[in-house]
Amino acid sequence: AQRVTQPEKLLSVFKGAPVELKCNYSYSGSPELFWYVQYSRQRLQLLLRHISRESIKGFTADLNKGETSFHLKKPFAQEEDSAMYYCALIPFTILYAGGTSYGKLTFGQGTILTVHP
Amino acid sequence: SAVISQKPSRDICQRGTSLTIQCQVDSQVTMMFWYRQQPGQSLTLIATANQGSEATYESGFVIDKFPISRPNLTFSTLTVSNMSPEDSSIYLCSVERGSTEAFFGQGTRLTVV
Repeated sequence: AQRVTQPEKLLSVFKGAPVELKCNYSYSGSPELFWYVQYSRQRLQLLLRHISRESIKGFTADLNKGETSFHLKKPFAQEEDSAMYYCALIPFTILYAGGTSYGKLTFGQGTILTVHP
Repeated sequence: SAVISQKPSRDICQRGTSLTIQCQVDSQVTMMFWYRQQPGQSLTLIATANQGSEATYESGFVIDKFPISRPNLTFSTLTVSNMSPEDSSIYLCSVERGSTEAFFGQGTRLTVV
C-alpha cells in the first residue's frame, strides 16, 4: 500500500524567506503526486500537481524518484501563504484502471505553514 | 470547478446514536468520495460512491458502520452509525469532475460525547 509522509507538523518562516515543505512517499509503482492547501476558513483545494509541471502562487514541486520525495518550495514566502498544506498521492494503476479517479487520494499528515511579517 | 455543500457543518452527538451527513454537488458527477480526518491525523478515504451501485469501501471501513447512499448524480449521504467518541472527526465529501483534481466540501465536524 502507498504511504505519504510529511515530517514537519509545523513550519514557521518570516516573510521573504525561502520555504520548503517536505513530502516523502512510499509506493512500489509510479505515483501521481499533488499538493493540496487549506487556507483559514476555506475548504481544501488543489495547489499544484506533478503532471502539470506548473508553478502556482510562486510554489513549485519537483518529483525526485530516487529519494521518493515531492517537496514544495517557494523562494520568497508571503504572509498569505500561511495555511495547512497536504501532500497527496494517487497510484497510476488507479488512474488508468477504469477512468479517472482523481478523488482517490492518499494524504500525508499535513504541515501548518505560518509566515510571520 | 465544482461547488459542494455539506450538511450539517458541525454536530455534537450522543454515543450510540447515528448521524447522516449530506453532500450536494452543483452539477452531475460520476464518483463521490467520503473522507475522514481524525484529530491530528491525515485525511483517510472511507469509500467511493457511484450512482446506481453499492459504495466501495476502503480497508478498515465497513458498510454497517458507514452506510452510504447515492440516489442520483448530484447527491450522496454518509451515515455514521452507533457512534462512539472515536468517531469524532471531520468528515469530508469530495468529487472529481472532468479534470485532474478533486474538489472538497467544507467538511462536517462531528463530536461524539
